Amino acid sequence: DIQLTQSPSSLSASVGDRVTIICRASQSVNNYLSWYQHKPGKAPKLLIFVASSLQSGVPSRFTGSGSGTDFTLTISSLQPEDFATYYCQQSYSIPGTFGQGTKVEIK
Amino acid sequence: EVQLVQSGAEVKKPGESLKISCKGSGYNFPSYWIGWVRQMPGKGLEWMGIIYPGDSDTRYSPSFQGQVTISADKSITTAYLQWSSLKASDTAMYYCAAAKPRYCSDGNCYVFDIWGQGTMVTVSS
Repeated sequence: DIQLTQSPSSLSASVGDRVTIICRASQSVNNYLSWYQHKPGKAPKLLIFVASSLQSGVPSRFTGSGSGTDFTLTISSLQPEDFATYYCQQSYSIPGTFGQGTKVEIK
Repeated sequence: EVQLVQSGAEVKKPGESLKISCKGSGYNFPSYWIGWVRQMPGKGLEWMGIIYPGDSDTRYSPSFQGQVTISADKSITTAYLQWSSLKASDTAMYYCAAAKPRYCSDGNCYVFDIWGQGTMVTVSS
């Protein structure tokens, strides 16, 4: 299985802050890397697919970048509704493993 | 409206069997891959497996192969996740998610944009 390692595991930030989350793969996944937002009691929500494509309806403050083994999710100006856990997921090979998650909390 | 509706929460005893469901509507059910994702209490998301309801082509994560069975009945647009003998460690929230065929290649799907609301399974003696 391809392993995905996210950093940090958690972070505290304020509304308006720029937030960056890193996802590193144990081997190349080309650009088959997605980012999901997950809030308690809700289904995960797709934010970014194929590393940098913004899912329809997702605010433009979310951007994804990277290829190969190193990927980044950036929230340019954190909003109150963005406090959640974020997961990267690779779809290069089965099983489509997830990272361990990054919890974004209010400072 | 395109949606996946999952069956309700379950409370079971160790050793019991269980089948939970995920009903799709508002789209061409047979042609979308459906995956299952587990979230154990306080833990992250885990990819369990995926099925193509059109021909029941199914792929499993090695971690879940032999532990669960994924199936689908396209005539009633429903996918299933089942256990023959539950363990306490199966206690978790289970989500189904669907992906359009153009975003998939041989079971590798990179856009899961339709999600069920989740089914909580509690296994306790």
